[in-house]
Amino acid sequence: DAGITQSPRHKVTETGTPVTLRCHQTENHRYMYWYRQDPGHGLRLIHYSYGVKDTDKGEVSDGYSVSRSKTEDFLLTLESATSSQTSVYFCASTQGLDQPQHFGDGTRLSIL
Amino acid sequence: LAKTTQPISMDSYEGQEVNITCSHNNIATNDYITWYQQFPSQGPRFIIQGYKTKVTNEVASLFIPADRKSSTLSLPRVSLSDTAVYYCLVGGGNTDKLIFGTGTRLQVFP
Repeated sequence: DAGITQSPRHKVTETGTPVTLRCHQTENHRYMYWYRQDPGHGLRLIHYSYGVKDTDKGEVSDGYSVSRSKTEDFLLTLESATSSQTSVYFCASTQGLDQPQHFGDGTRLSIL
Repeated sequence: LAKTTQPISMDSYEGQEVNITCSHNNIATNDYITWYQQFPSQGPRFIIQGYKTKVTNEVASLFIPADRKSSTLSLPRVSLSDTAVYYCLVGGGNTDKLIFGTGTRLQVFP
């Protein structure tokens, strides 16, 4: 969707290294989400934010942390990456809970 | 949290109508039902959203019975380009958490 970008789009790193993924939206949306997508599991919610500095855990939050210091940016950090965190990560945003989410194009992360 | 259940996969042929049903037995009073389409290597894309009865837009219809424990996405006259994974999402009512199901993989054949 126009207005939401993820960086990097692809990353390969080693087990034990820290990794930060960035989501940037220009829609001034209040809510932002991080999902991971793995075969057979669909989209699983990692963390989400309901405002600047306001975040909460999703279904699969272990091993991940997030930060939102500005409305437009939502960062996902893997403090010490593990091979089980190899996945495709999607960011999404929405202005209201009764509004559709807009998704980025994803970040493919491989941890060797 | 409203958990959704969808068929894992469906097959169809070009020109046919496709109906994909999503079960959501513990939907909350204020929850909305939203459907997304996802192509490989892309993020999900919004198709349609509804609260009750029937909603129609230029690409699909959404049927929601009175008890709202299920919903059906209807795609009229599918084409090869409709081959994708379709997700049902229930939420937006009492919680900020938006939980996706595992999705339905639709394969359209010529």
